[in-house]
Amino acid sequence: QVQLVESGGGVVQPGRSLSLSCAASGFTFSDYGIHWVRQAPGKGLQWVASISNRGHNKHYADSVKGRFTISRDNSKNTVYLQMNSLRDEDTAVYHCSKEVFPLFGGDAFDTWGQGTTVTVSS
Amino acid sequence: ETVMTQSPATLSVSPGYRATLSCRASQSVGSNLAWYQHKPGQAPRLLIYGASTRATGIPARFSGSGSGTEFTLTISTLQSEDFAVYYCQQYHNWPPITFGQGTRLEIK
Repeated sequence: QVQLVESGGGVVQPGRSLSLSCAASGFTFSDYGIHWVRQAPGKGLQWVASISNRGHNKHYADSVKGRFTISRDNSKNTVYLQMNSLRDEDTAVYHCSKEVFPLFGGDAFDTWGQGTTVTVSS
Repeated sequence: ETVMTQSPATLSVSPGYRATLSCRASQSVGSNLAWYQHKPGQAPRLLIYGASTRATGIPARFSGSGSGTEFTLTISTLQSEDFAVYYCQQYHNWPPITFGQGTRLEIK
């Protein structure tokens, strides 16, 4: 079945880096845009970043622009989120999600991973 | 940025009754509006996309309507498993993709 599994979360000090992975299965990975969405404790859902099916187009929320980098390896069916200069406010559960329709142009997300928890704390 | 505003923040309804949730966009999003159900510790679940199209496997008691700036999610006959937080999301004016703040649907 269609599945996304995140990994790489953990506890990290402010200013340090962390890299998240999102492993996909059950669909033609190279056909779909992938997004990262996070949920801080007690808060709602916040879109973080997105990458097109071939990796040529990337977009970021203003709050992470210049600090986070999204990338993908279609040979490994995996999307990555490199997070640098982490701040307390980056503490959240990070979900990766798949667009409903192939190609890339902004879409709803029909498959989500369970999420991986990132805690930024000294 | 398109701001999505959901109302009410909390809705108390008894099982078997109808629930109506609202979502308003600060500018037109056409029909590029989705609804999600989210339970603690679980992945969000897509219910509706394109403002009114039910996602695969979603029961018919869930329906979406609206276009432009005003949208509604209706759950016709509430089941026990429907009590959760619901989010609307616009994907018309992006980046950024934006979500509403959520409506908590609780048992009355």
